[in-house]
Amino acid sequence: GENVEQHPSTLSVQEGDSAVIKCTYSDSASNYFPWYKQELGKGPQLIIDIRSNVGEKKDQRIAVTLNKTAKHFSLHITETQPEDSAVYFCAASRSESQGNLIFGKGTKLSVKP
Amino acid sequence: DAGVIQSPRHEVTEMGQEVTLRCKPISGHNSLFWYRQTMMRGLELLIYFNNNVPIDDSGMPEDRFSAKMPNASFSTLKIQPSEPRDSAVYFCASSLAGGHTQYFGPGTRLTVL
Repeated sequence: GENVEQHPSTLSVQEGDSAVIKCTYSDSASNYFPWYKQELGKGPQLIIDIRSNVGEKKDQRIAVTLNKTAKHFSLHITETQPEDSAVYFCAASRSESQGNLIFGKGTKLSVKP
Repeated sequence: DAGVIQSPRHEVTEMGQEVTLRCKPISGHNSLFWYRQTMMRGLELLIYFNNNVPIDDSGMPEDRFSAKMPNASFSTLKIQPSEPRDSAVYFCASSLAGGHTQYFGPGTRLTVL
């Protein structure tokens, strides 16, 4: 089955700096890769996703890149702000699994003002 | 839309008691997922339903756990009897069938003493 590894487990940056979180997956048939943000006391919320026919996707200060050959994908947050502090999860799935997401263990991002 | 609704938000019970967690998915969504989140194991998929039918329950830890979805707008996750190791945050999520974006509820924090 699919296995998703996520690094680092914790990340501390200064406000305004960039943050990068990396994930690798094992199932070459996976073709959907979402990123979720979880704030304290809340459920995870989708912030960006990418499908395997695309190498990069941007949405304002966040971007995701995908390298299918190497089976890894990354989340990039630029100009970080204190409100970006949260736990971020990557996930992977196959389309035919009808949404069965396999999540990484999460990265706790702290943005220091 | 109110989003995914879970109840109760917090549950404290004693070992051996029955616990029932409830979920109302987003109206129109026909896939529903139950997850468990702990520090040690991260986010684990327990079971998911498509059109009220359980598709994959391989994540259900043991026979003490059961889940039902009697109709498109309601699901329950029951633990009987509960044990201290069941203490965790339980999330319900829903999505459109064939789509991948999962919308999470706020979770139920379960403490079994």
